[in-house]
Amino acid sequence: DTGVSQNPRHKITKRGQNVTFRCDPISEHNRLYWYRQTLGQGPEFLTYFQNEAQLEKSRLLSDRFSAERPKGSFSTLEIQRTEQGDSAMYLCASSLAGDQARDYGYTFGSGTRLTVV
Amino acid sequence: GIQVEQSPPDLILQEGANSTLRCNFSDSVNNLQWFHQNPWGQLINLFYIPSGTKQNGRLSATTVATERYSLLYISSSQTTDSGVYFCSSGSARQLTFGSGTQLTVLP
Repeated sequence: DTGVSQNPRHKITKRGQNVTFRCDPISEHNRLYWYRQTLGQGPEFLTYFQNEAQLEKSRLLSDRFSAERPKGSFSTLEIQRTEQGDSAMYLCASSLAGDQARDYGYTFGSGTRLTVV
Repeated sequence: GIQVEQSPPDLILQEGANSTLRCNFSDSVNNLQWFHQNPWGQLINLFYIPSGTKQNGRLSATTVATERYSLLYISSSQTTDSGVYFCSSGSARQLTFGSGTQLTVLP
């Protein structure tokens, strides 16, 4: 497995446009997370999936944000009507869950850097 | 929610030196993880360490869950150790990260 893959690596968009990011987790990982990181800060939680079910959403996730994980495989994060304050690095991570998991540690992707102009 | 305090915020070392990074938590420690973010932005998981001590090469970590803190030890530092070190704690569904320790190792 090549790890967690995120696309695109960079995205520049005009304010008001919609953008969509994709995350492909490690295949045997059933947990998937989205985080956002701004300059000089640690990652902030956005949302969590177990398989295809979205089980947790942060208050940071306004109604302009939506995330999906169809069939419990890859995930997409869409931002509608982007604002300059949405400029950040969007990080995806995956991890194992279940009784047989001895290490619940996250594996992060390389992130998608969004710039809203 | 839980507050995560990391110290020191910045650290400059000469290559070969040892260092200790600390995380204090305002609430019970769960699913504690240490990460290294390299200068290219990639977050690498160093340790999943909810309690006890683990070692991986020149790095080791200790978590004292009853006292709500964790330590990351870096021995014989190398320039490639430069970057930001984050600790995090939380539920299985989400982690809260500290603001990080910016480490610079000089040749």
